[in-house]
Amino acid sequence: GESVGLHLPTLSVQEGDNSIINCAYSNSASDYFIWYKQESGKGPQFIIDIRSNMDKRQGQRVTVLLNKTVKHLSLQIAATQPGDSAVYFCAETHNDYKLSFGAGTTVTVRA
Amino acid sequence: DAMVIQNPRYQVTQFGKPVTLSCSQTLNHNVMYWYQQKSSQAPKLLFHYYDKDFNNEADTPDNFQSRRPNTSFCFLDIRSPGLGDAAMYLCATSDVDRDYEQYFGPGTRLTVT
Repeated sequence: GESVGLHLPTLSVQEGDNSIINCAYSNSASDYFIWYKQESGKGPQFIIDIRSNMDKRQGQRVTVLLNKTVKHLSLQIAATQPGDSAVYFCAETHNDYKLSFGAGTTVTVRA
Repeated sequence: DAMVIQNPRYQVTQFGKPVTLSCSQTLNHNVMYWYQQKSSQAPKLLFHYYDKDFNNEADTPDNFQSRRPNTSFCFLDIRSPGLGDAAMYLCATSDVDRDYEQYFGPGTRLTVT
């Protein structure tokens, strides 16, 4: 079946370094992608989104890159901070209000 | 300023004893969703309401029901909780006339004893 998945379940990053979290999707018709951050015991929090007519979008300290050719999505976090420790989920949809979530990457920031 | 509110945040119920979780929203969004999430796994969609129209996922057990009496409130009823139903239950909303971003509540952690 078609699904969204992440390459690595865990990522350990030194504080101050940049983080890159990857996500692969299989539905070539997907046209909207979201990254969520979920801290322990909390609900997912929106980070950034991107539509399929773009290949890059920047927010505050975060950048999302979309490569439709290889169906790959990535989230880059600049100057990673301890507060960035969380589970990160990518999600996608194709003209539908139901999101398909990837499995999640747990990011741990080392002091 | 909470936009999606879930009550209670923690719920303990006994095996087989019915339990209701509640969700309310101040966003006036037309779609409300219920997800089940276990141990840092991805949220699993149970069902959603588009306005008053109920949409059940094919693999959602009959033990799970939902009610949406008005735009602001949505309830998750678990008729006979089993040990395997212990999880975090997340409510989310979206305004699909605008975009597909979903706004999540803080979740209710359900423990079944």
